Amino acid sequence: AQSVTQLGSHVSVSEGALVLLRCNYSSSVPPYLFWYVQYPNQGLQLLLKYTTGATLVKGINGFEAEFKKSETSFHLTKPSAHMSDAAEYFCAVSAGPNYGGSQGNLIFGKGTKLSVKP
Amino acid sequence: GAGVSQSPSNKVTEKGKDVELRCDPISGHTALYWYRQSLGQGLEFLIYFQGNSAPDKSGLPSDRFSAERTGGSVSTLTIQRTQQEDSAVYLCASSLVAMNTEAFFGQGTRLTVV
Repeated sequence: AQSVTQLGSHVSVSEGALVLLRCNYSSSVPPYLFWYVQYPNQGLQLLLKYTTGATLVKGINGFEAEFKKSETSFHLTKPSAHMSDAAEYFCAVSAGPNYGGSQGNLIFGKGTKLSVKP
Repeated sequence: GAGVSQSPSNKVTEKGKDVELRCDPISGHTALYWYRQSLGQGLEFLIYFQGNSAPDKSGLPSDRFSAERTGGSVSTLTIQRTQQEDSAVYLCASSLVAMNTEAFFGQGTRLTVV
């Protein structure tokens, strides 16, 4: 079974500062990991995903995340925050396609709301 | 269509009434999912359809909840005898195959039970 913990329901940074949103996962099988972003009154949009291969994954809008198996983490970072980054961010985990059960059951964390101060 | 479409965008209903929420997935996407998003609770998986396979209903919270997908395309989530705790945003998503490929979300239906 998979689970996701996002540390901090609310993170506030200044414009231009580093963004770090934490995600730890639990999985009994090699995980597929995702970050989604939800802007106010909009649906979720995929930021980036890790399936296999390179552990540092780059996504849209300058975000990246690193899969660290030893730490069971997949933290999301951006070197310099922009006002337009204010949104809620969700980390998610699923099993890969080689595993049985509900392949598509994507388990989400509770989300982290990012505020960016001018 | 260009994206996943959900209707209505907002629904206010009286406690005890039945409601139907509709989802039009992206054309050609075989996988369709329903999630419920409550304040501070993240996204709760409800049900998953994949092609012609039997749906995975393991996330439905009670037998008041049901969903169907007609012709492998449009899906309807039905909540019978609504309760106040059913108030949430209901999100639909679709993907080409399974969720571990990129999933596209609709903007959701905000359900308020009064």
